[in-house]
Amino acid sequence: ETGVTQSPTHLIKTRGQQVTLRCSSQSGHNTVSWYQQALGQGPQFIFQYYREEENGRGNFPPRFSGLQFPNYSSELNVNALELDDSALYLCASSALQGGSTDTQYFGPGTRLTVL
Amino acid sequence: AQSVTQLGSHVSVSEGALVLLRCNYSSSVPPYLFWYVQYPNQGLQLLLKYTSAATLVKGINGFEAEFKKSETSFHLTKPSAHMSDAAEYFCAVSDLVNNNDMRFGAGTRLTVKP
Repeated sequence: ETGVTQSPTHLIKTRGQQVTLRCSSQSGHNTVSWYQQALGQGPQFIFQYYREEENGRGNFPPRFSGLQFPNYSSELNVNALELDDSALYLCASSALQGGSTDTQYFGPGTRLTVL
Repeated sequence: AQSVTQLGSHVSVSEGALVLLRCNYSSSVPPYLFWYVQYPNQGLQLLLKYTSAATLVKGINGFEAEFKKSETSFHLTKPSAHMSDAAEYFCAVSDLVNNNDMRFGAGTRLTVKP
């Protein structure tokens, strides 16, 4: 059973640019959640995808968007990058069955630095 | 809205001493509660979870936590600290059904002294 993987590991962008982060969910999981973890803080929920549709969103602006693919992998896209977007972006996968979700398992994260 | 508060951003213990990391939650519905550990430059690893079954939950690496509804607490303990326990620990809450908005605490950094 493979775990959650994310790419790239590190990324440096400049203000105003766009970025795409990728996540492959754990085998057997159909739900992917994305979190932003700023330095010294706990993760903040961005959004969740289930069966290729957004299934809940946190307090993040529309320039944060996502996709989920038929194989349940996912992308997080951030447009018009700002300095405050510098953070560790974590992806977590889980299994949504019968209306409730199981435990979320996290990937190693992508460290984004915006200059 | 659900939330958790972790008391103490930094806890320091000696190797072999008791580890106690505090977490209090706020939730209008029966909660799911979790403890995750994060080692430097890594993602989060699940230590244990409470899902309305037994109130005393045993996790990996010798950690356990007790759900106390009357105190709205879910403190994490380990009888004897090991050097390898040094890491950041996060308490998190979500509701029983809609696990699409997990709320994390700010984290507690555990230091273990030799």
